[in-house]
Amino acid sequence: EAGVVQSPRYKIIEKKQPVAFWCNPISGHNTLYWYLQNLGQGPELLIRYENEEAVDDSQLPKDRFSAERLKGVDSTLKIQPAELGDSAVYLCASSLEGFSANEQFFGPGTRLTVL
Amino acid sequence: SQQGEEDPQALSIQEGENATMNCSYKTSINNLQWYRQNSGRGLVHLILIRSNEREKHSGRLRVTLDTSKKSSSLLITASRAADTASYFCANTGANSKLTFGKGITLSVRP
Repeated sequence: EAGVVQSPRYKIIEKKQPVAFWCNPISGHNTLYWYLQNLGQGPELLIRYENEEAVDDSQLPKDRFSAERLKGVDSTLKIQPAELGDSAVYLCASSLEGFSANEQFFGPGTRLTVL
Repeated sequence: SQQGEEDPQALSIQEGENATMNCSYKTSINNLQWYRQNSGRGLVHLILIRSNEREKHSGRLRVTLDTSKKSSSLLITASRAADTASYFCANTGANSKLTFGKGITLSVRP
């Protein structure tokens, strides 16, 4: 069974440039999450989707971050414009429905460096 | 902000020894999960313990939960070099959000 796929694995951009990350969850998983992980820290939730609906985006900085999950499968996370402080690893995860009771399956992440 | 805290922050042991890692959290929980993250890789789920459970086993892993003390421990028995990783506890509270701690860095020396 294929795991959660993310691309790109690494991205280096200059500040003020836009950047986008893509995620393909495990087939059949209705719930999709985007997390941000800073160095030496645990992941922090940015947004959670149930199918195509964003049910928790309270931690998403909406002035520069946006996300979408068209058709309830793949998802993209965009930053525009990127700032130096956005350098981090962006993790995508998915799980079966029943959010709080299920384990989450994580992708390898996209390491973003903003210069 | 992150809700839980793990203890110790770093742990170095010899292969074959047991490793014990602790986690504390601040609010009531539905369940608590432990994850492992190898260098450069994503997180992998290890074990989930529900709020009405006190102890759970999975292979070489043993996790305990004390809701009165708002704490959990993860024991890895007969450690191997491949267990070298960062370990995170994550709890699910009333808001159904999974909140991770800062993690514990475990080094197992061959």
